[in-house]
Amino acid sequence: NAGVTQTPKFQVLKTGQSMTLQCAQDMNHNSMYWYRQDPGMGLRLIYYSASEGTTDKGEVPNGYNVSRLNKREFSLRLESAAPSQTSVYFCASHRGMNTEAFFGQGTRLTVV
Amino acid sequence: GENVEQHPSTLSVQEGDSAVIKCTYSDSASNYFPWYKQELGKGPQLIIDIRSNVGEKKDQRIAVTLNKTAKHFSLHITETQPEDSAVYFCAASIAGNQFYFGTGTSLTVIP
Repeated sequence: NAGVTQTPKFQVLKTGQSMTLQCAQDMNHNSMYWYRQDPGMGLRLIYYSASEGTTDKGEVPNGYNVSRLNKREFSLRLESAAPSQTSVYFCASHRGMNTEAFFGQGTRLTVV
Repeated sequence: GENVEQHPSTLSVQEGDSAVIKCTYSDSASNYFPWYKQELGKGPQLIIDIRSNVGEKKDQRIAVTLNKTAKHFSLHITETQPEDSAVYFCAASIAGNQFYFGTGTSLTVIP
């Protein structure tokens, strides 16, 4: 049982390049999330998907897009990377309201 | 939206002592309060949670208290061990779809 799997683990991009961060969960969870973690700022929600076929903006959605491909997969896309998007990105999932969220191992992204 | 504040940002304790981390939240509609532990290079992992209809919950050396009137909740770790050293995050959730996290507490347990 892998839980939440994120790829890649590390990535360096040049300003203006695009990339997609992949996330998959094997726990049959309805809700999936993308967070970014920056020093001293905790975890901030970028986008979430409460169920397959729906997506909603979180606290810091600008510069990102998401796709809930199916119940298992939720991807995060940076269309034109900027240095301000240098961060550690975490994908998470949970079964439903007021239940534990399970996190992936994170993707460390550097934009130069 | 919800605003969660967490204190202290760093905490050092001697092995065997207790550690207390405090969080406040702003939205009285928040009804679920999880605590996560994050070890270096890993994703956060739930250690304990509490729902708004409960005032206190305990799991071995870890306990969480909730004061809905004052809108604050606290994590208590007793008999600390070196393996408790990590970053701890509190969070609050309204209706369970969005989690708002505190800024984290880096706990160091000195052997």
